[in-house]
Amino acid sequence: NAGVTQTPKFRVLKTGQSMTLLCAQDMNHEYMYWYRQDPGMGLRLIHYSVGEGTTAKGEVPDGYNVSRLKKQNFLLGLESAAPSQTSVYFCASSWTRTKDEQFFGPGTRLTVL
Amino acid sequence: DQQVKQNSPSLSVQEGRISILNCDYTNSMFDYFLWYKKYPAEGPTFLISISSIKDKNEDGRFTVFLNKSAKHLSLHIVPSQPGDSAVYFCAARVSSDMRFGAGTRLTVKP
Repeated sequence: NAGVTQTPKFRVLKTGQSMTLLCAQDMNHEYMYWYRQDPGMGLRLIHYSVGEGTTAKGEVPDGYNVSRLKKQNFLLGLESAAPSQTSVYFCASSWTRTKDEQFFGPGTRLTVL
Repeated sequence: DQQVKQNSPSLSVQEGRISILNCDYTNSMFDYFLWYKKYPAEGPTFLISISSIKDKNEDGRFTVFLNKSAKHLSLHIVPSQPGDSAVYFCAARVSSDMRFGAGTRLTVKP
């Protein structure tokens, strides 16, 4: 039982490059989330998904796209990376969107030069 | 607009003593509050939560207190242990919206 895993752990991009971050969970959770964490700030929600094939915008969605083609996977895409997207990205999952705690992955550290 | 604030970036306590971590919020609509703990190079892990209809929730060495009139949340750890050294995030939720504080780094000295 691996919980929530994220790929890759580290990545360096040049401005304008694209990439996809992969999140996988083996707990059969319906809800999945992508957050970013920046120094001096809490985790901020980028996008989330309430089930396979559905996604919704969070607090800071601009510059990101997501897809949930399979229940266990949630992908975060950056089409044209910008230095402002340098951050640590966390994926999380939960049974529901209320009350139940979220289970987090170990994070992906992304640097955009 | 930070709706959840942890005004102390760091806290240092002696092993065996009490650790008190504080959190303030501005949105009176928040109805559920959580604390997460984070070790370096790991994701946050859930610690304890409290509904807005309660003022206290206890789980072993960890107790969360909620003062709705003051819009204030606190986490008490008694007794503190060196393994408790981590960054602690408070979070507050209303419906589908959850907001996190910036975190407090707790160091427990042996």
